Amino acid sequence: GAVVSQHPSWVICKSGTSVKIECRSLDFQATTMFWYRQFPKQSLMLMATSNEGSKATYEQGVEKDKFLINHASLTLSTLTVTSAHPEDSSFYICSASSRGTEKLFFGSGTQLSVL
Amino acid sequence: RKEVEQDPGPFNVPEGATVAFNCTYSNSASQSFFWYRQDCRKEPKLLMSVYSSGNEDGRFTAQLNRASQYISLLIRDSKLSDSATYLCVGNNAGGTSYGKLTFGQGTILTVHP
Repeated sequence: GAVVSQHPSWVICKSGTSVKIECRSLDFQATTMFWYRQFPKQSLMLMATSNEGSKATYEQGVEKDKFLINHASLTLSTLTVTSAHPEDSSFYICSASSRGTEKLFFGSGTQLSVL
Repeated sequence: RKEVEQDPGPFNVPEGATVAFNCTYSNSASQSFFWYRQDCRKEPKLLMSVYSSGNEDGRFTAQLNRASQYISLLIRDSKLSDSATYLCVGNNAGGTSYGKLTFGQGTILTVHP
C-alpha cells in the first residue's frame, strides 16, 4: 500500500532554533498535504493544507511565518518550525492525498521537544 | 462548540465486554465520517467508514444518524489489543480537497484482563 515517510520521528532542540520536518510519499503523487499538530491528551488539529506548487492555506490562529510549509514537488512536503519555543513542543503529523482518489495516508509523526 | 465532540472517557472494560462510543457533529454539511484508532504517539489508523445504513466489520459496528448528527461505534467481545484512543472524524470537503479531516478529541479505551 501507499506509504508516507515522515522524518525525523523525534527531535529535541534548543529554544530559538528552527526545525524542519519532512514528509515524502513513496509510491504515489501527493497532490495535497495536510499538516496537523497534537498536544498531549488533545485531538489532532489541522494547521495547514498545501497543494503541490501552491502556497499553503493556514487555519485560523496558525502563524504562517512561524510554520513554513513547502510543497514544491508531488513527493515531498516540509514543515519548518522557525524560532521554536517550548510552547511549540508537540506531536506533528502529516497526511497526504492524491487527486482523484479518496485515499488518505498519514506519516508516522514527529515528536518535537523544545528546551 | 467543537465541530466534532466525543466523550473523552476513559472507558475501562474487561476483556469480552461490549463498549459503545458516541460522537456528535455540528456541521450539517459534513459529507463523510470515519472512526480512526490512535495508539500513543503514533499516527491515526483508519478503523472504518461510517454510513447511514450502518456498517459492520467483524466485532466493530458503526452507525451514522444524519438527522440527529450523531455517530456511534460499538465494539463487541473486547480484546486487550483494542486498548487505544478512538477518534471520531468528519470530512467536510469534497473534490480536490478530500482529506481535510476534523478530528474529535478522542475516546480512550482500556481493556483489562
